[in-house]
Amino acid sequence: EADIYQTPRYLVIGTGKKITLECSQTMGHDKMYWYQQDPGMELHLIHYSYGVNSTEKGDLSSESTVSRIRTEHFPLTLESARPSHTSQYLCASARRTRTGQETQYFGPGTRLLVL
Amino acid sequence: AQSVTQLGSHVSVSEGALVLLRCNYSSSVPPYLFWYVQYPNQGLQLLLKYTSAATLVKGINGFEAEFKKSETSFHLTKPSAHMSDAAEYFCAVSDGRGYQKVTFGTGTKLQVIP
Repeated sequence: EADIYQTPRYLVIGTGKKITLECSQTMGHDKMYWYQQDPGMELHLIHYSYGVNSTEKGDLSSESTVSRIRTEHFPLTLESARPSHTSQYLCASARRTRTGQETQYFGPGTRLLVL
Repeated sequence: AQSVTQLGSHVSVSEGALVLLRCNYSSSVPPYLFWYVQYPNQGLQLLLKYTSAATLVKGINGFEAEFKKSETSFHLTKPSAHMSDAAEYFCAVSDGRGYQKVTFGTGTKLQVIP
């Protein structure tokens, strides 16, 4: 079973506030991902990282930023939250393999509501 | 490019009945395929995965899926539905190369009727 944690699980915040969503994994996985999930929609990749000091933007344009200073930690920050950021945010991690095949393990998610 | 289509955003079955959730994929290279389950207010949990070994893949909770290249399908089945199977199920495809992009389907909500 995967050990990947996200905090907070739920967050209600006002427009304009700065927020950081935390994601940590204890499996030593090199790769980490942030997805945005809305009802009835596929998961959209917003950021990913292949290792420490490596971060890339995903397929979905996002106003958020990420950092990867430590292998186990991949926080996502919104400098100024807006109602359009209301969504569920899922963090995932995976181990890099020689064969190229990997399995992503997901955290429980953070449900964000911006008023 | 790769894509996943899940047929039916909602599926209802009676308790004890067969569960069949459909997934069709497209991929320019031999794919890796996954099924994930998501319970309310939780993240995605891996049910099973296909990685070019056996075409019939068994997962957790009695689920299995069969990879059919000729039909580009990876349908999820369970012989007898249980109330605890009620959840949302996501099919995903990965090309297993480069940055390992994973594309998810839009999900199928399974309702189990007592």
